[in-house]
Amino acid sequence: GAVVSQHPSRVICKSGTSVKIECRSLDFQATTMFWYRQFPKQSLMLMATSNEGSKATYEQGVEKDKFLINHASLTLSTLTVTSAHPEDSSFYICSATEDRSEQYFGPGTRLTVT
Amino acid sequence: AQSVTQLDSQVPVFEEAPVELRCNYSSSVSVYLFWYVQYPNQGLQLLLKYLSGSTLVKGINGFEAEFNKSQTSFHLRKPSVHISDTAEYFCAVKSPSNTGKLIFGQGTTLQVKP
Repeated sequence: GAVVSQHPSRVICKSGTSVKIECRSLDFQATTMFWYRQFPKQSLMLMATSNEGSKATYEQGVEKDKFLINHASLTLSTLTVTSAHPEDSSFYICSATEDRSEQYFGPGTRLTVT
Repeated sequence: AQSVTQLDSQVPVFEEAPVELRCNYSSSVSVYLFWYVQYPNQGLQLLLKYLSGSTLVKGINGFEAEFNKSQTSFHLRKPSVHISDTAEYFCAVKSPSNTGKLIFGQGTTLQVKP
């Protein structure tokens, strides 16, 4: 149980375009989902916390207009990177929790902006 | 504010030797503590967690950790490592408050050599 999927696993896009990453909880209802960014050889940096049906809460320094987060249902949250630039290239990981006691992590999405 | 320090960025060890990965945290309130493992280009997998109760916590893959409140530590140990344990290990802390946010350490690369 407690499986979280992400789609796509890898995406390459051109500079200036937007890309959407999906995060799904497959066998539980996720009241809260988290989005992280991870640079090579570094730790996870929390970008935002997303509660179903409400606006996401962004961490300091994260541009909410650039990283659009939607949590429209209890099993799906999406992260849209708008007007992507090469510096947005990174590994994006989501996690989901049913009761905030434990987070279950997705497999990650490798974004490369050319 | 809470923080997590993983004292070693890299730990090389020979196969079948014991290993300890160190983690110290700072917090003014009680905390929940976690150890995760990340294999290349994958998400995070929970190894073990301390929420309350016994200070010695056993996890998957033969790992265990001991919560030491006086030393604010949560070191991860395995008595005999395998080549397959080569991965990145992250210690994390979560306040029992309502946000569910995790604060991660910088990570420790465990390199198991034959």
